[in-house]
Amino acid sequence: QVQLHQSGPGLVKPSQTLSLTCALSGDSVSSNSAAWNWIRQSPSRGLEWLGRTYYRSKWYSDYAVSVKSRITINPDTSKNQFSLQLNSVTPDDTAVYYCARAGSGWYLDYWGQGTLVTVSS
Amino acid sequence: QSALTQPRSVSGSPGQSVTISCTGTSSDVGAYNYVSWYQQHPGKAPKLMIYDVTKRPSGVPDRFSGSKSGNTASLTISGLQAEDEADYYCCSYAGSYTPWLFGGGTKLTVL
Repeated sequence: QVQLHQSGPGLVKPSQTLSLTCALSGDSVSSNSAAWNWIRQSPSRGLEWLGRTYYRSKWYSDYAVSVKSRITINPDTSKNQFSLQLNSVTPDDTAVYYCARAGSGWYLDYWGQGTLVTVSS
Repeated sequence: QSALTQPRSVSGSPGQSVTISCTGTSSDVGAYNYVSWYQQHPGKAPKLMIYDVTKRPSGVPDRFSGSKSGNTASLTISGLQAEDEADYYCCSYAGSYTPWLFGGGTKLTVL
């Protein structure tokens, strides 16, 4: 059974960096068939895909155009987890952030529990 | 790219059927057979209910079914039950720059 468990602070000050981690069990971040995603949800933006990392003989990361200049998603193979860093946050980045697995197809089959991140001073 | 278009709300009585539409464009819903549907209860993470337009993951009741015609996908829930009351989101592959494009969500009320 695949499980994703998120951790990270729920409050970030404007202009600082939002950092979240997603720990995996039941699958490997180095899987040659899965991709590991971050998605956020807010009343104003709905569900928004932010980016992903995946391994296909080497590591790749793809990011949404809306956050491309501010985002980094990295795998950590030693801990079987992956992380999200979003720089220069503003109150508009306030949302529930989810990590999710895309298995062997174009769908998100396992999700983390979600983390409400509030950007406020 | 703009979000996929879903009705804000639908409702039905127990035992009835409801259909939720999801309208995109020829660049997303119409271009690929990669539409998925997610159920979300308050305070919970989304749960995959349908993938590849019509397929159900193991454990999802066969009361849930999906279809697509042109640029519009649909989720049909038959034999409505109280526990089906939730928000439903469609999602489509939209190309390599936007692997997942979501709809705005539909609130299903079971009367």
